[in-house]
Amino acid sequence: EPEVTQTPSHQVTQMGQEVILRCVPISNHLYFYWYRQILGQKVEFLVSFYNNEISEKSEIFDDQFSVERPDGSNFTLKIRSTKLEDSAMYFCASSLDFTGELFFGEGSRLTVL
Amino acid sequence: AQKVTQAQTEISVVEKEDVTLDCVYETRDTTYYLFWYKQPPSGELVFLIRRNSFDEQNEISGRYSWNFQKSTSSFNFTITASQVVDSAVYFCALTTDSWGKLQFGAGTQVVVTP
Repeated sequence: EPEVTQTPSHQVTQMGQEVILRCVPISNHLYFYWYRQILGQKVEFLVSFYNNEISEKSEIFDDQFSVERPDGSNFTLKIRSTKLEDSAMYFCASSLDFTGELFFGEGSRLTVL
Repeated sequence: AQKVTQAQTEISVVEKEDVTLDCVYETRDTTYYLFWYKQPPSGELVFLIRRNSFDEQNEISGRYSWNFQKSTSSFNFTITASQVVDSAVYFCALTTDSWGKLQFGAGTQVVVTP
């Protein structure tokens, strides 16, 4: 069964460092997303991406965040200068259409020290 | 503004008991979609069901069933004859036509003991 894969599964970084989280969405999907879940809290939308551009982003997704689909298969989330409060599980997801079921990856846990 | 409320933080049951998870939503849009996702201890989010606002038929899938009632803005989820493998956090979520921007509820932790 096709699945969304994410790397790394866990990354520890120092505050102020840049981090790139990688995702390989399901190959025939057209819509891509990043969500995050701070430990013990609800899952929060960060950004959606379609046709090589951001479709929508939340207030959380400020100038420190960026997304890219560099090569037609990977979908990356970059945090330019990490803060302590960026520590969370980051989920990548993809879907065939924008109201369809989202297929989530297993998440990348980011710990900022 | 959209909102999803899952008032139950945690529910503990003994295996074979039924468990019902409540979900109440708020939206001004007439077209919207409701979802349930399961998050087992391994952490991934597993899609369970999607419902659109025009389809109020209840649905059953194996031991899972869903009751969608627009009159009360609720989309409740029942696990019949629960099993230990059902232990997980269950999230209800809502989206309108906002590019897959799901609004998640806080989640309900289900603990099933043998």
